[in-house]
Amino acid sequence: AQTVTQSQPEMSVQEAETVTLSCTYDTSENNYYLFWYKQPPSRQMILVIRQEAYKQQNATENRFSVNFQKAAKSFSLKISDSQLGDTAMYFCASETNSGGGADGLTFGKGTHLIIQP
Amino acid sequence: GAVVSQHPSRVICKSGTSVKIECRSLDFQATTMFWYRQFPKQSLMLMATSNEGSKATYEQGVEKDKFLINHASLTLSTLTVTSAHPEDSSFYICSASSRGSGTDTQYFGPGTRLTVL
Repeated sequence: AQTVTQSQPEMSVQEAETVTLSCTYDTSENNYYLFWYKQPPSRQMILVIRQEAYKQQNATENRFSVNFQKAAKSFSLKISDSQLGDTAMYFCASETNSGGGADGLTFGKGTHLIIQP
Repeated sequence: GAVVSQHPSRVICKSGTSVKIECRSLDFQATTMFWYRQFPKQSLMLMATSNEGSKATYEQGVEKDKFLINHASLTLSTLTVTSAHPEDSSFYICSASSRGSGTDTQYFGPGTRLTVL
């Protein structure tokens, strides 16, 4: 079984600041993927960034980057130059690949990020 | 690309009736679709995995006779909540994944808010 833990229920930063959201996970699988999803008030789940466990290089998407520490089972999200539109719930998620296709995602409880003007 | 639609976006029904929710992948063929449930201020919980042409796989604690899933084609999966009760009121979200896209990334629909009176 997989577990994903997000220990920060809510965070608040000023616009243009950098913020890091924490996530730890536990899995017995060797082949898995990690994701950060954003859920704004509309409740539409939006993929922010993904990381394949076999890749050592940290994934980067524009202002979003991750710090993937496989041995520590840590997967934090860094948002640089934060913008008002970044205000949302952020969910960390893991997915195993059973070989027969995609498996369902296991989500953390989420972090409510508030960007203050 | 990778757009997933859900219909209806919200539905209100009387206790004891059945409700059908549709999930469609609009611009790709989804070999696997997933159904999640999200209670207010909580995370997403996987309910079931649906593969085209085969029976759905349900997570522990999810009643398969109550939540009927049909994945009739590579672009459509339906979730039917049978004999709905007030405790079934929730936000239901589907996602779709395509192995052919080269990734296991799941793309989410906008969700369906179900209220059972």
